[in-house]
Amino acid sequence: AQSVTQLGSHVSVSEGALVLLRCNYSSSVPPYLFWYVQYPNQGLQLLLKYTSAATLVKGINGFEAEFKKSETSFHLTKPSAHMSDAAEYFCAVSESNFGNEKLTFGTGTRLTIIP
Amino acid sequence: DAGVIQSPRHEVTEMGQEVTLRCKPISGHDYLFWYRQTMMRGLELLIYFNNNVPIDDSGMPEDRFSAKMPNASFSTLKIQPSEPRDSAVYFCASRGSWDIQYFGAGTRLSVL
Repeated sequence: AQSVTQLGSHVSVSEGALVLLRCNYSSSVPPYLFWYVQYPNQGLQLLLKYTSAATLVKGINGFEAEFKKSETSFHLTKPSAHMSDAAEYFCAVSESNFGNEKLTFGTGTRLTIIP
Repeated sequence: DAGVIQSPRHEVTEMGQEVTLRCKPISGHDYLFWYRQTMMRGLELLIYFNNNVPIDDSGMPEDRFSAKMPNASFSTLKIQPSEPRDSAVYFCASRGSWDIQYFGAGTRLSVL
């Protein structure tokens, strides 16, 4: 069975500082991995995805994530935080074998940006 | 495209009443997913459809919950009778050939 662990339910960073949100996954087959962002009172929006191509994935709004198989990790980073980055971030995994379309989400990390 | 459209955005009802949540997926998408989000349990998949057929309903919490997809452009999630513990935000998402799920804005349900 697939699962995702997000370390840190709340992360605070200063504006302009590095953002690092951690995600570790478990999957019995090569995984597809996703980061979604949720702004207040909105649905989830895809930031980026990894589907077995390049291990460093670039997404929207300056975010990127690196797939590390040896560490079973898919951490999300952004070099310089902006106030508009304040939101909740979800890591998700699906198994790449055909017929498994379900996404399993982590519990989310709420990112606060300090002015 | 207008994206995934959910209605209503907010629903307040009393315990024991029937609640129907509605979803219009993105045109051309052949997968539709219903999720529930709570503080305690996070984001849970309730059920998903492929080409209007329910594929996996193992996440549906009880028989009080039912979902239908009568055609490619419409789905409902019904709770009958509703209970206070059903209070949550319910999301619908759709997916096409690629593996990206697109989410609606959600329905915030409060059962008093």
